[in-house]
Amino acid sequence: DTAVSQTPKYLVTQMGNDKSIKCEQNLGHDTMYWYKQDSKKFLKIMFSYNNKELIINETVPNRFSPKSPDKAHLNLHINSLELGDSAVYFCASSQEDSGRETQYFGPGTRLLVL
Amino acid sequence: AQSVTQPDIHITVSEGASLELRCNYSYGATPYLFWYVQSPGQGLQLLLKYFSGDTLVQGIKGFEAEFKRSQSSFNLRKPSVHWSDAAEYFCAVGTYSGGGADGLTFGKGTHLIIQP
Repeated sequence: DTAVSQTPKYLVTQMGNDKSIKCEQNLGHDTMYWYKQDSKKFLKIMFSYNNKELIINETVPNRFSPKSPDKAHLNLHINSLELGDSAVYFCASSQEDSGRETQYFGPGTRLLVL
Repeated sequence: AQSVTQPDIHITVSEGASLELRCNYSYGATPYLFWYVQSPGQGLQLLLKYFSGDTLVQGIKGFEAEFKRSQSSFNLRKPSVHWSDAAEYFCAVGTYSGGGADGLTFGKGTHLIIQP
């Protein structure tokens, strides 16, 4: 069974469109994250959710909005897509343990904006 | 703010040779350190982690890493590499602000090439 899954795996879309990426974890974890990996493979945290609360929000454009319908899901909605949004987006999850969390990553969603 | 430096962007190693990938971190408190591996077109797989205790930690696939507080380093090693080890390797530091995990801060990665 896949621990952290993401859909779709690939997403090709036009500038200006709105799209969503879904993430689900079956590990029973209480914290989920979104990371962006740019064309140089640099990974940067975007958001995390703990018990349905947004606990960090890095300096990402407000066109990006995480939505968590329940503890097992954290979806990423992107409005008005721009060329610079092309990247690989990774979802991850962990169980809170006073900082000793180990994050487990999904397979990534490769977004290409044309 | 915390940061992670992986000084080697690319490393080429012959199959069967030993490997050491360097990682230096900057963080004011006790760091929680991780190494992840990313094969081409794949997600990130955890190799090993350090939270406390024994400074030499063992991971999967025959990897180990040593935490050296005095050098702010957490270098990854493997005694004999296999062609399947060719991948991107990321060192990361985890921080905790009291309100929950802050997410990982990653280094820029080291691309490992294995020569036959």
